[in-house]
Amino acid sequence: NAGVMQNPRHLVRRRGQEARLRCSPMKGHSHVYWYRQLPEEGLKFMVYLQKENIIDESGMPKERFSAEFPKEGPSILRIQQVVRGDSAAYFCASSLLAGVSEQYFGPGTRLTVT
Amino acid sequence: GQQLNQSPQSMFIQEGEDVSMNCTSSSIFNTWLWYKQDPGEGPVLLIALYKAGELTSNGRLTAQFGITRKDSFLNISASIPSDVGIYFCAGRGETSGSRLTFGEGTQLTVNP
Repeated sequence: NAGVMQNPRHLVRRRGQEARLRCSPMKGHSHVYWYRQLPEEGLKFMVYLQKENIIDESGMPKERFSAEFPKEGPSILRIQQVVRGDSAAYFCASSLLAGVSEQYFGPGTRLTVT
Repeated sequence: GQQLNQSPQSMFIQEGEDVSMNCTSSSIFNTWLWYKQDPGEGPVLLIALYKAGELTSNGRLTAQFGITRKDSFLNISASIPSDVGIYFCAGRGETSGSRLTFGEGTQLTVNP
């Protein structure tokens, strides 16, 4: 009964490189959400996706960040040309339904940009 | 955008004591969720609330959805050392679709 899975758990990138973060939702869940957490802060919403569709990307920076949730395979959060300010923990959550449904979180990917 | 004010920021208590923390919002929320986060891990859902006035328990934890729909509180009774962690409230506003807004967290320390 696997929960939300994320990999890698830790990722180190130099400035200017690309970071790819993967998320596999809980079995049976087709709604995926990405959140970012800076040290000592709460989580901030980035993007909400269903299979093959971006539903709400209002929290995602317009440049360098993109997300996808293909028909097959995990959801991917991609950060191009990373900068030091991108260093954070990135969490993925999934839910069974949209709207009021509960969101369950993965263990996160800690991105460090050197 | 929507903001949640969570208090207190931190609490230091003795094992066996009861704990209370709360969240307030300037706008109406239609869902309140409480999560616990351990170091290096993702938030774990503790309690979900969907109706104003709703009072829900999960073991030693009790949470309520405020009547005004602008606040929620979480109580932990008879605290134990494994209650240590950061507790977050999260809410879903009337116009926020499926996205959650999180409070800044309450860091709980329990002294044995």
